[in-house]
Amino acid sequence: GAGVSQTPSNKVTEKGKYVELRCDPISGHTALYWYRQSLGQGPEFLIYFQGTGAADDSGLPNDRFFAVRPEGSVSTLKIQRTERGDSAVYLCASSLLGGGGTGELFFGEGSRLTVL
Amino acid sequence: AQSVTQLGSHVSVSEGALVLLRCNYSSSVPPYLFWYVQYPNQGLQLLLKYTTGATLVKGINGFEAEFKKSETSFHLTKPSAHMSDAAEYFCAVTDFGNEKLTFGTGTRLTIIP
Repeated sequence: GAGVSQTPSNKVTEKGKYVELRCDPISGHTALYWYRQSLGQGPEFLIYFQGTGAADDSGLPNDRFFAVRPEGSVSTLKIQRTERGDSAVYLCASSLLGGGGTGELFFGEGSRLTVL
Repeated sequence: AQSVTQLGSHVSVSEGALVLLRCNYSSSVPPYLFWYVQYPNQGLQLLLKYTTGATLVKGINGFEAEFKKSETSFHLTKPSAHMSDAAEYFCAVTDFGNEKLTFGTGTRLTIIP
């Protein structure tokens, strides 16, 4: 596709439910990132994939959060037993190679998660 | 740990006036610095970046920023504001080999006609 695509754009769920958020990166981009943006805050790093493997998952807040990228393209962020504090916009970004910190990240429009 | 402070969560300037958005960083190693812009209903977009070399970097849409190590700053400027510049701007820091960007809390820029 032309850009990074995220689905759903909006998700409302109840506390305790399971949620999956999908990211379709720019074709050919090997690096993929998940960030979380809470209201009034900047994006906060969650996890970075290089190919199929999670190269850095140090930003995942706890074991309720998990992400996969089985074929090195589409990624899914999975949140178990959602809590109201998980409400945020979840941003996905991709980069051609990763670039060791110098590469440009291309962001999707985000998935807004609201936990009631 | 690295951090970024953006002074002013909201900035308003008149059309045609100078835009100045402030960013100060903290890093124990040489930083890589970025400005990203988020227009309404769009994803974050890279405006410009500093990694090494020339400390004055130019970006898209007439924006530029200067890396000042002595002041630990990377302020974003544009000589003449345009209505289309209205957006939220984020400063971010990382370092060599580190894929994790640390963002500031953002500055919402409003342009007054």
